[in-house]
Formats: sequence, structure tokens, C-alpha cells
Amino acid sequence: AQTVTQSQPEMSVQEAETVTLSCTYDTSESDYYLFWYKQPPSRQMILVIRQEAYKQQNATENRFSVNFQKAAKSFSLKISDSQLGDAAMYFCAYRSGPAQGGSEKLVFGKGTKLTVNP
Amino acid sequence: EAQVTQNPRYLITVTGKKLTVTCSQNMNHEYMSWYRQDPGLGLRQIYYSMNVEVTDKGDVPEGYKVSRKEKRNFPLILESPSPNQTSLYFCASSSLRVSKNIQYFGAGTRLSVL
Repeated sequence: AQTVTQSQPEMSVQEAETVTLSCTYDTSESDYYLFWYKQPPSRQMILVIRQEAYKQQNATENRFSVNFQKAAKSFSLKISDSQLGDAAMYFCAYRSGPAQGGSEKLVFGKGTKLTVNP
Repeated sequence: EAQVTQNPRYLITVTGKKLTVTCSQNMNHEYMSWYRQDPGLGLRQIYYSMNVEVTDKGDVPEGYKVSRKEKRNFPLILESPSPNQTSLYFCASSSLRVSKNIQYFGAGTRLSVL
């Protein structure tokens, strides 16, 4: 079974600075997707960024980028120019790809609570 | 607007009183799923459905039931709720016709069982 580990229960960053959230995962599959979800105090689950395992290029979405190290099974999220609105719980998640039988289940890490200090 | 709608958003009940949390999506998605979120545990899958009348257990199905009579609806049923089912529940849906699909989440239901 796949597992996702977020080793930082809490992180803090100064406004306008850069912060990196860590995520490692364990799988024997070769085809999969990785995600970062943001959960603000409203509790809504918001997709931040997605990475396909077969792509070597790291995904980016505006101020959010990932460092995907497939061999190390590491998938960290970098937030640049942090803003007060970035304060939230962040979840890393794994999903098997179509080549693995198409399971849609998301396997989540336990989350990292990010505080942004003004 | 594409959305997953859960009701109610908040619910307080007592042990043993049957309840249903509804979930509806307007995107014609085949796949629907329920997750529960607990502090320090992240989200864990309860049940999922690949299409109408096709449901299966996730990682934590004990104490829950689901049904999928219509494509758009996927209710979560707690026939005899217990305090350990106090949690934040999310419904999600996605298309099985698109390989690079994403899951859309509802706004969550905060359940307290006294």
C-alpha cells in the first residue's frame, strides 16, 4: 500500500519570504500522480498543484512550485513571496495512475499547518 | 458552475440516531468518494463508487453505508452513529473519462456525535 509522509506538523514564514514544505511517499508503482492541497480555515480543499510521475519537469503554478525527486520519492512544495492568504493546512496526496488499474483513491499525508507572519 | 454539494454543513447528533449526509455533483462524474478528516491523521477514504450501483469499501468503512442509485448523488449513511465518528467529512467526485482528471471536493460536513 502507498503511504505519504509529511514530517513537519507546523511551519511558519515571514510575509514575502519563501518556505518549503516537505513530503515523501512510498510506492512500488511507476505510474502515479502527486498533489498538494490547501485547506484554509474555511475547510475547503483547494488543489494547489499537480505532478505526473512520468514528467521530469517540476510543476509550477504562479508562486507555487514543486521539487519532484522521483528516485528519492520526495515531493516538496515551495511557496515564494508568501502572502497572508497562504496561511492554511497543506496536504500532500498520492494517486495511482491509469496504468496501475485506475484507482482514484487519494492517499493523504497528515498535513502541515503553515502560519504566515506579517 | 461545477460543484460538489454536501448537506448539512454542520450536524450535532446523539449516539444511535441514524443520519444521512447527502452529496450531489453536477459534472456527470462517474467516480464519487467519501473521506473523513481527523486531526493528525489527514484524510482517509471511507467508501467510493465507480458508477451507478457500483460501490466499494475504502480504508475506514466500519460504521458507514453508502448507496449510488443515481449518478449525481452519493449519500453517506450512519445507521447507529457513535462518538468515534465525530469528524469532518468530505465528498469528492471525478471523471473516469479523463486520465489527467482531478477530484473536486465538497465544502465539508462537520459532524459531532454526543
